[in-house]
Amino acid sequence: SQQGEEDPQALSIQEGENATMNCSYKTSINNLQWYRQNSGRGLVHLILIRSNEREKHSGRLRVTLDTSKKSSSLLITASRAADTASYFCATVRSGGATNKLIFGTGTLLAVQP
Amino acid sequence: ETGVTQSPTHLIKTRGQQVTLRCSSQSGHNTVSWYQQALGQGPQFIFQYYREEENGRGNFPPRFSGLQFPNYSSELNVNALELDDSALYLCASSLPTGQAFGQGTRLTVV
Repeated sequence: SQQGEEDPQALSIQEGENATMNCSYKTSINNLQWYRQNSGRGLVHLILIRSNEREKHSGRLRVTLDTSKKSSSLLITASRAADTASYFCATVRSGGATNKLIFGTGTLLAVQP
Repeated sequence: ETGVTQSPTHLIKTRGQQVTLRCSSQSGHNTVSWYQQALGQGPQFIFQYYREEENGRGNFPPRFSGLQFPNYSSELNVNALELDDSALYLCASSLPTGQAFGQGTRLTVV
């Protein structure tokens, strides 16, 4: 079963605007990761944030983590048409025997040129 | 380029048949995981292998099995295929910063 929900399910914006996606999860985590997927192909790792971190930046990406609310957000600034893809958050549960990823349901982002 | 390659990219099988999907990782990638992604859903963890031993399994029946080889390649085998097994199958190598995914195998069961 999925770990949690992502919100919104779909988002359509104009090029140059910012895109914000939210993710909620259910259990205590070791870390949370965001992935991007183009047209049902392989996932590309974007960023990892550990449970003791609150914010992380990578280029045009900004991720926040609120462990008290069991939620995270991904902000893409100055979006481009090439950012059009599905975005997934995934958690690694704390105390688990493996580092398996538990994925959310994904947000489909469409950036209009 | 993630260094993880999967074959084949697409496959069509008939219900009841068996299928083997393959994954090749870079040298030193000791941990490989397999995921199933149904259309419109997030990937679901099938199992993980570490140094040729299964060390974790998701909620999948025993007809889903795997192997990992010393040359960092691995296989996912599915017996007695069902229509609901139609999905994108992804393998991933574990890295300190996250997991590196292959491009996936799209399996269609008819």
